[in-house]
Amino acid sequence: EAQVTQNPRYLITVTGKKLTVTCSQNMNHEYMSWYRQDPGLGLRQIYYSMNVEVTDKGDVPEGYKVSRKEKRNFPLILESPSPNQTSLYFCASSQADRGPYEQYFGPGTRLTVT
Amino acid sequence: KNQVEQSPQSLIILEGKNCTLQCNYTVSPFSNLRWYKQDTGRGPVSLTIMTFSENTKSNGRYTATLDADTKQSSLHITASQLSDSASYICVVDNNAGNMLTFGGGTRLMVKP
Repeated sequence: EAQVTQNPRYLITVTGKKLTVTCSQNMNHEYMSWYRQDPGLGLRQIYYSMNVEVTDKGDVPEGYKVSRKEKRNFPLILESPSPNQTSLYFCASSQADRGPYEQYFGPGTRLTVT
Repeated sequence: KNQVEQSPQSLIILEGKNCTLQCNYTVSPFSNLRWYKQDTGRGPVSLTIMTFSENTKSNGRYTATLDADTKQSSLHITASQLSDSASYICVVDNNAGNMLTFGGGTRLMVKP
């Protein structure tokens, strides 16, 4: 089954404790991205990657890092989480970065930073 | 600034009724317009994708329209079902590389 998986689905952590949210897709997609969703603000892009070893900042990259060492994986790293990073995070992938390609979203990771 | 505005913010309808959700955008240059359905706490799921040259696309009981001249789109839901209760998000691609602009969504509740 074609899918995007994220782990963990739920995470409660404390300020400053480094964490990684994993994202994996099994569709051989070139393009992957991370979004956060906050009430009243909609989905905002954090980082995206157009292929292996190619990443770029989205609208709200501050406080986040990503890497794309393999085509299928695109982890999101919070080196020193802060309470304002409490949010619902989604990973997504699509065949390419341009064109009417369907973008598939993961199930989401709900992060709480205390 | 690229923006996507959706209306209404929320809507309650009775099961079996039709409804129409609106999306206005100022994204330029424009390439594609997408509608997603998002159940609470879950990832968005694609309903339709329209290029700038298309003016209507259907997916079952969902029909999206696009007027690229007025920069407006609508999503019409026919014969609503309880399972249609969700947020509906309008997303516009610009043509200058990977930039998707998301609307704030319309939260639809279908009551029996």
